Amino acid sequence: GNSVTQMEGPVTLSEEAFLTINCTYTATGYPSLFWYVQYPGEGLQLLLKATKADDKGSNKGFEATYRKETTSFHLEKGSVQVSDSAVYFCALGDSNYQLIWGAGTKLIIKP
Amino acid sequence: DAGVIQSPRHEVTEMGQEVTLRCKPISGHNSLFWYRQTMMRGLELLIYFNNNVPIDDSGMPEDRFSAKMPNASFSTLKIQPSEPRDSAVYFCASSTSRQGFYEQYFGPGTRLTVT
Repeated sequence: GNSVTQMEGPVTLSEEAFLTINCTYTATGYPSLFWYVQYPGEGLQLLLKATKADDKGSNKGFEATYRKETTSFHLEKGSVQVSDSAVYFCALGDSNYQLIWGAGTKLIIKP
Repeated sequence: DAGVIQSPRHEVTEMGQEVTLRCKPISGHNSLFWYRQTMMRGLELLIYFNNNVPIDDSGMPEDRFSAKMPNASFSTLKIQPSEPRDSAVYFCASSTSRQGFYEQYFGPGTRLTVT
């Protein structure tokens, strides 16, 4: 079946550091891929998406590229801020119109 | 624009009591999802509706859980009787088929504590 694997957290970085959060997937076909973010005490919100191979999703300085050959969708940001501290979820859209979620990666940014 | 509205935000109840969680989706959205989030199990889809009809309830843990969507602007998730292991944050989310089922808008959640 379809599945999503994320790197375990927490990931702790200093402000202005480069961020990578790894995400790989297993799926039949070519599903759409998503990153959602959950700030403390809030619900999840869509951060970015990619719907086909080689697509790059981007938002708020974050980027992720849909890599079919490595079945990956790693999240990157060139310079993180304290306000980026949150839990990040990678997800894929399966054929049953459901999102298959990764376990989430907690990101802590220190000033 | 109002987002997804959930009530109550916090609920503390004793084991055996009935709990009802409420959700108002974004106006115009025709899909609604109920999720449960715990540290141990992460984010789990409990049930989702499309055009007020339950499509997949395979994630509902057991018969103690039930969900309804009587109209396009209101849904409830009921737990009867509640147990301590039901303690979790329950999220409601909505989406529109025009924009895509996967672009879901989440409410702020209801934190349920069963003692």
